Amino acid sequence: AQSVAQPEDQVNVAEGNPLTVKCTYSVSGNPYLFWYVQYPNRGLQFLLKYITGDNLVKGSYGFEAEFNKSQTSFHLKKPSALVSDSALYFCGCYNFNKFYFGSGTKLNVKP
Amino acid sequence: DAGVIQSPRHEVTEMGQEVTLRCKPISGHDYLFWYRQTMMRGLELLIYFNNNVPIDDSGMPEDRFSAKMPNASFSTLKIQPSEPRDSAVYFCASSFLGVSNQPQHFGDGTRLSIL
Repeated sequence: AQSVAQPEDQVNVAEGNPLTVKCTYSVSGNPYLFWYVQYPNRGLQFLLKYITGDNLVKGSYGFEAEFNKSQTSFHLKKPSALVSDSALYFCGCYNFNKFYFGSGTKLNVKP
Repeated sequence: DAGVIQSPRHEVTEMGQEVTLRCKPISGHDYLFWYRQTMMRGLELLIYFNNNVPIDDSGMPEDRFSAKMPNASFSTLKIQPSEPRDSAVYFCASSFLGVSNQPQHFGDGTRLSIL
């Protein structure tokens, strides 16, 4: 079955430290991959996407993600976390007219 | 620039009642998506439209759910009859010119509680 997995329900990091939110996918072909962020009581907001080309994709708010085809991963990263980055993060992909979303990872950035 | 507008923001109703959720996409966007979010099942795509035509409704849970898009600026998601397990946050999103490579713009959702 095709799917997207976010293995961590929650990630805790101190402000100023680098953060990584993990995502792996299990789909055939060459999927389009993306990350969204959700703040409390709000809809999702687009962060970044990978379609083709450079494996390192830069997005909004200083976030970036690295596509690794051999490991079928698309981890979200930021060099220096802010308290305001605390939110729910969703990885997803689009492949053969279908969307797949991960279960979400709650990021907690502590001062 | 108005974003995706959903109404109502909150709905509480009794089991068996008809529920209608409404969505106004961003002007000019040609794709519209309906999602459901629950703690148990996460975020699920229910259905999406392109130029007012339903493209994929495979995520619609059962016949009690129906969605329409009578014109480019309005869509509804109906549940009839509603059941307690339909309680969730329902999101509408829209995008322009692409379903895969263009970001989706989400509304703030309708929080539905079925008693």
